[in-house]
Amino acid sequence: NAGVMQNPRHLVRRRGQEARLRCSPMKGHSHVYWYRQLPEEGLKFMVYLQKENIIDESGMPKERFSAEFPKEGPSILRIQQVVRGDSAAYFCASSRDRGTRNTEAFFGQGTRLTVV
Amino acid sequence: AQRVTQPEKLLSVFKGAPVELKCNYSYSGSPELFWYVQYSRQRLQLLLRHISRESIKGFTADLNKGETSFHLKKPFAQEEDSAMYYCALSSNTGNQFYFGTGTSLTVIP
Repeated sequence: NAGVMQNPRHLVRRRGQEARLRCSPMKGHSHVYWYRQLPEEGLKFMVYLQKENIIDESGMPKERFSAEFPKEGPSILRIQQVVRGDSAAYFCASSRDRGTRNTEAFFGQGTRLTVV
Repeated sequence: AQRVTQPEKLLSVFKGAPVELKCNYSYSGSPELFWYVQYSRQRLQLLLRHISRESIKGFTADLNKGETSFHLKKPFAQEEDSAMYYCALSSNTGNQFYFGTGTSLTVIP
């Protein structure tokens, strides 16, 4: 099991462009979480998704940000018309269904977005 | 509402001194509590969870339901303990994970 895979590891975008961040959860995991870590700050929850459903998006900015977790393929965090303030590390985590004993969340290595 | 509070953003201790990273939570049910650690330039990884009642790298954490706390402790800090520590709560009604804002621990040689 390769673990949670995020790509790209580093992403540079000019202001106004779109950023697409991908997260492939661990095998057998159907729950995905996205977090943002600003420089010198802690982890801030953005969105929690299950396959084809957004469960909790209370941490997502109201504009320009969206997330999906399709039936097939990775979860995508999309940021439209990026601004300098979007520069941060974006972490994805995944977990199994609650019914199993192990409900630990496993993290990817993150995508470092730099907006220039 | 579910919430995890880590009151200390930064914490510095000398090598060999005891260290305690505070975590308080609010949750209406019976949550599972975790501590995650992020070493420099690495991904977050699980350090320990309350249901295991284990000691990892000398760290322990006891769930105190009366005080709704899950403080992380180590009797003698080491330089390699310098990292960012996150307290997390998992709900018992779903798979939601709530993280505190983290405490950056620096162990001074």
